[in-house]
This record gives sequence, structure tokens and C-alpha cells, in this order.
Amino acid sequence: IAGITQAPTSQILAAGRRMTLRCTQDMRHNAMYWYRQDLGLGLRLIHYSNTAGTTGKGEVPDGYSVSRANTDDFPLTLASAVPSQTSVYFCASSPSLGNTEAFFGQGTRLTVV
Amino acid sequence: QKEVEQNSGPLSVPEGAIASLNCTYSDRVSQSFFWYRQYSGKSPELIMSIYSNGDKEDGRFTAQLNKASQYVSLLIRDSQPSDSATYLCAVSRGGYQKVTFGTGTKLQVIP
Repeated sequence: IAGITQAPTSQILAAGRRMTLRCTQDMRHNAMYWYRQDLGLGLRLIHYSNTAGTTGKGEVPDGYSVSRANTDDFPLTLASAVPSQTSVYFCASSPSLGNTEAFFGQGTRLTVV
Repeated sequence: QKEVEQNSGPLSVPEGAIASLNCTYSDRVSQSFFWYRQYSGKSPELIMSIYSNGDKEDGRFTAQLNKASQYVSLLIRDSQPSDSATYLCAVSRGGYQKVTFGTGTKLQVIP
């Protein structure tokens, strides 16, 4: 089934640890995104990629890094997790950046303790 | 001022009624507008997109856009309990520009 897959679905992480959230899509979409969703703050863009090999910073990029080695994969890395990074993380993709429908993964619930 | 503003709700409507969800945005050059539905504990899914002033209808859903007033709305006719969800408004300048989401309006349809 075509779509976008995230892993893990949930994780409890000790503060200071490094963590990579995985995201893979099989729709050959050029654009990919990472959002975090917090109660009362909605979806906030962390990083995005317009095409393989390029990435950009979103609204809340600090403490996160991404890479886009190929079209399908867009991992998000927390180099040294802090409790304020406790959130639900959504990966999304769209055919192009900006004016087309975005498809979302099922989300990763991350708790940093 | 937030870039995309929505009333957080909850908005409660009886089954069969029309639900009206509203969204205002601050960027005057915005060109692309989207409504996503998000059930509790699930990911957002697109239900409507609109790019031109006026109304766009799709089944029980109608999106309305007024660029002069910087206002976009979503009407849900004959509301059903299965429509109970949070509705997210999203706005973009279009082209290769990022999409900005509002915080969402929670809709409750009462049987």
C-alpha cells in the first residue's frame, strides 16, 4: 500500500540521548516535511526538503537535524534530547512544496524524561 | 498576531445541522488554502483545497475563500457524529513556499 511510514510509533527517551525518527515514503514525492504537534500550538514545521539533497529550516528547527540522501527517506535526528522535545512528530510528503496536498505518516509519540 | 488563526472550540452542533468552521490568515500574498481533518490520536488528512475566491463544493463540504478579507471557511452540511474531529486550516503562498497550519478547531457533532 502506497503511503508514508514512520518509525517508531512511540518512544520514551532519556534526556541527553540521541534519537533518530525514521520516515519513508513510496509515492515518489519531491517534498517532505517534519512537524511537531503540541496541545494548543498546533502543527509546527521543524524542517523540510524540497527535493533529494536539499533541506531547509522551518519554524522550530533548533535541536533537530535532517538529511535527504534520496527521494524516499527523510530521517529526523535529535542530537541530545531535552524534555521540551516531548511531542507528537509527524512526517509528511507532497508532490511539490507549498501548493499541493500533503500526506501524513501515522506519527511518532516521543516522551523525553 | 498568528499567521493562521482558528477558534479552538469545541464547536458543538446537533446531528444534521450545518457546521461552520472559520479561519483567518495574516499573509496577504497567500495563494493556497487547505482544510485537514484530524481524528483524535490520528494523523491529519486533507478534505478540501481552494485557490480562488468563492465557494468550492465537494459532497457535504464547502470551502469558502475571501482573499480581500483574508478569510477562509469550511461548511459541513448534514453533520454526522463521524465528522467529530479537529479541523486544521493551512495556508501557503503557493509555488515552492511552505504551508503554515492553524491550531485547529475541535468539532463535536451531538447525536
